[in-house]
Amino acid sequence: ETGVTQSPTHLIKTRGQQVTLRCSSQSGHNTVSWYQQALGQGPQFIFQYYREEENGRGNFPPRFSGLQFPNYSSELNVNALELDDSALYLCASSLLVYNEQFFGPGTRLTVL
Amino acid sequence: QKEVEQNSGPLSVPEGAIASLNCTYSDRVSQSFFWYRQYSGKSPELIMSIYSNGDKEDGRFTAQLNKASQYVSLLIRDSQPSDSATYLCAVNPSSGNTPLVFGKGTRLSVIA
Repeated sequence: ETGVTQSPTHLIKTRGQQVTLRCSSQSGHNTVSWYQQALGQGPQFIFQYYREEENGRGNFPPRFSGLQFPNYSSELNVNALELDDSALYLCASSLLVYNEQFFGPGTRLTVL
Repeated sequence: QKEVEQNSGPLSVPEGAIASLNCTYSDRVSQSFFWYRQYSGKSPELIMSIYSNGDKEDGRFTAQLNKASQYVSLLIRDSQPSDSATYLCAVNPSSGNTPLVFGKGTRLSVIA
């Protein structure tokens, strides 16, 4: 059974740039959730995708957007990067909506 | 605002002792409860889930849920230095279409 994978592992961008993060869900899982984790904080929910549709969104501005593909992999796009976007971005997959979620290794984004 | 509260720690216990980690949540209708372990610089790893009042045991880990008191705890028996990590409590505030809400985590240090 293949676990959740994410790419890239680390990324450095400058303020105002755009970034795309990628996630492949665990085999058999049809739901992908994205979280942002700042240092010393718990993960904060960004949004979730189920069967290629956005299925819930947290308190994040529209410059955070996403996609899910037919193979259940997913992308997180962030436009007009701000310094406060520096964080660990986590992707989690699950079989049922909001059931047990399994995290990928994360992408560490640094915005300079 | 649905909230999950944890003592940030650090909680220090000697090797071989029982570590007790606590979590309270604000939404009385919460249905599902999860404990994740997160090593420094890594992503969260699901270690326990609990859905009904009472205790659930898995190896050295026991999760305890008291919905009337809105309280969930994690006991780690025979604590090992390798258990040193941040433990995140996550709650599904209601059944169905709601995201997980995470606490900020409790940092556990097991002293050899």
